[in-house]
Amino acid sequence: DGGITQSPKYLFRKEGQNVTLSCEQNLNHDAMYWYRQDPGQGLRLIYYSQIVNDFQKGDIAEGYSVSREKKESFPLTVTSAQKNPTAFYLCASISREGTEAFFGQGTRLTVV
Amino acid sequence: AQRVTQPEKLLSVFKGAPVELKCNYSYSGSPELFWYVQYSRQRLQLLLRHISRESIKGFTADLNKGETSFHLKKPFAQEEDSAMYYCALSGTSYGKLTFGQGTILTVHP
Repeated sequence: DGGITQSPKYLFRKEGQNVTLSCEQNLNHDAMYWYRQDPGQGLRLIYYSQIVNDFQKGDIAEGYSVSREKKESFPLTVTSAQKNPTAFYLCASISREGTEAFFGQGTRLTVV
Repeated sequence: AQRVTQPEKLLSVFKGAPVELKCNYSYSGSPELFWYVQYSRQRLQLLLRHISRESIKGFTADLNKGETSFHLKKPFAQEEDSAMYYCALSGTSYGKLTFGQGTILTVHP
């Protein structure tokens, strides 16, 4: 069953802790993206990666970090430097043709 | 810098009425524009691309470079069209993909 998988679906963390969100795809896509979805603000790009071992900051990268050691995986770490981490996070991948982005089901992170 | 603006957060119409979801963009080059849709409890998915010039589920969108717009239209709305709609822009085939704020469309019976 091909697709893009995010885990976990729900995540609770204490303030000040780093947390890593998983994103895996078996679509053989080159590019992968992380977005943050907040009510009334749409999808805001955090980081994206066009190829293994390379990634670029998006519009709201502060307080986040990523890695792209494998084509299939693009984990996102929400660090303690992120001032308002509670949000819904979406991962996506796009093929080299760039015709369509495929999205995961999302991870809802709540920091208490 | 690339930017997408959807001026309407909420849009309500009655079944059978025409609907238009507005999208304006800012980009210095030749953009690729998309409409994505998120139905209740489903993943965000592609609705249509400006390059393909096709009609999907009765929706069409025309790229107007002069007005830097890519409005989504449907002549007769259906209740199943109720969803969140996002306009998106990409400057290159698999580069930075920027989304607008989204418009929640509600079609009343």
